[in-house]
Order: sequence, then C-alpha cells, then structure tokens
Amino acid sequence: KNQVEQSPQSLIILEGKNCTLQCNYTVSPFSNLRWYKQDTGRGPVSLTIMTFSENTKSNGRYTATLDADTKQSSLHITASQLSDSASYICVVSEGGGGNKLTFGTGTQLKVEL
Amino acid sequence: KAGVTQTPRYLIKTRGQQVTLSCSPISGHRSVSWYQQTPGQGLQFLFEYFSETQRNKGNFPGRFSGRQFSNSRSEMNVSTLELGDSALYLCASRSQGDTGELFFGEGSRLTVL
Repeated sequence: KNQVEQSPQSLIILEGKNCTLQCNYTVSPFSNLRWYKQDTGRGPVSLTIMTFSENTKSNGRYTATLDADTKQSSLHITASQLSDSASYICVVSEGGGGNKLTFGTGTQLKVEL
Repeated sequence: KAGVTQTPRYLIKTRGQQVTLSCSPISGHRSVSWYQQTPGQGLQFLFEYFSETQRNKGNFPGRFSGRQFSNSRSEMNVSTLELGDSALYLCASRSQGDTGELFFGEGSRLTVL
C-alpha cells in the first residue's frame, strides 16, 4: 500500500531559527514529490515539485531535498518567520500514468517570538 | 489569472440532508480533484475528473459523488449527511501533465449538526 509518513507531527521553534521537516514514502512507481504549505483555514499552496532526477530544489527560504534511493525527502526552512507557522504537507505522485497522489498528514509548524 | 474558486465557503447542515459544493478551476485546467480534510486525518482524496470523466476515485462511500461540466467546473454532492462528514472540502485544479502543479481553492467548510 502506498504511504507517505511525515515527521515530526508538530514542531515549535523560535523566530529566526532553522528547522527541517521529514517525509518518507513507499509510493511505487514514483513520479514526483511535492511540498505544500497550508495556512489555517486556507487551501494548500505549492512550495516545490521534484522529479526522480532532482535531489534539491529551493524556493526562497525553503529548500527541499529528495533521495529517491532511500525514498526520503526533507524540507528545510531557513531563518524562520512568524508567517511560516502553518501545516506542511508532503505529497507523492505515482508514476505509470495513473496520476494518483498520496498525501502525508502534515507537520504542524509554529514559529514563536 | 483567477485562481480556483469554491462556493460556498461555509455552510451548516443537519444530519440526513444533502449538500452540493461547487468548484471553478483555473482557466484552461481540465483536471479537477476533490479532497476531504479533517483534523488529524490530513487530506483524503475523494475523486478526480478530467474532461467530464471521473479518472480516479478514493475510498469513500457512494453518498459522495461528483461531476464535471463541459466548461470544467465541477460539483460534488454528499447525500444523507452524517456528523462525521463535517470537514473542510478542498478542490484543486491541475495543469497539464503528470508533474502538473495542483492549485487548491480555499475550501468549503461544512458543519453537520
């Protein structure tokens, strides 16, 4: 069964600090991996999309890495801001033309002063 | 370019009633997918439509149904509402291709009393 597991479930950090969120998946065949940011009560917004051949991709202070061999991804947030407080969702797309997506349950990040 | 529009944003229903939610995708996007989001469960895939045809379906009972019109607008219907159907229902439209980015709407918050 295809699964996406994220850790930690929740995280509290001080403003200005860095943090790393983890995503492990068992989806096969693999097509791509996406990270989304979801503010409370809003729809998710895409941060990065990585295919098999990409092992790192940045979007401002967000840097995602992908190790397709170990089926792991991480999202690193640099110099956190209060506005980074949100849920971060890892989504893996199945290959083979099925277009099926498997969602992680997300990591709830809170950035405090 | 207008984003994904969902209506209504909030609604309250009672058990046994039925509800219809609407989603207008980004212009040019032919794929529309629906998700249910509840606290602790993450995003659960309901179904995906492409060019008026249901392409994928999640593991939800038959009370949950959907359709897509020729202009790509989509509706989902939930009949015989149960308390457990209370959730944020998100719609997303996708650009072409397997790596097509998902664009989410703001969601419809359904409360069943």
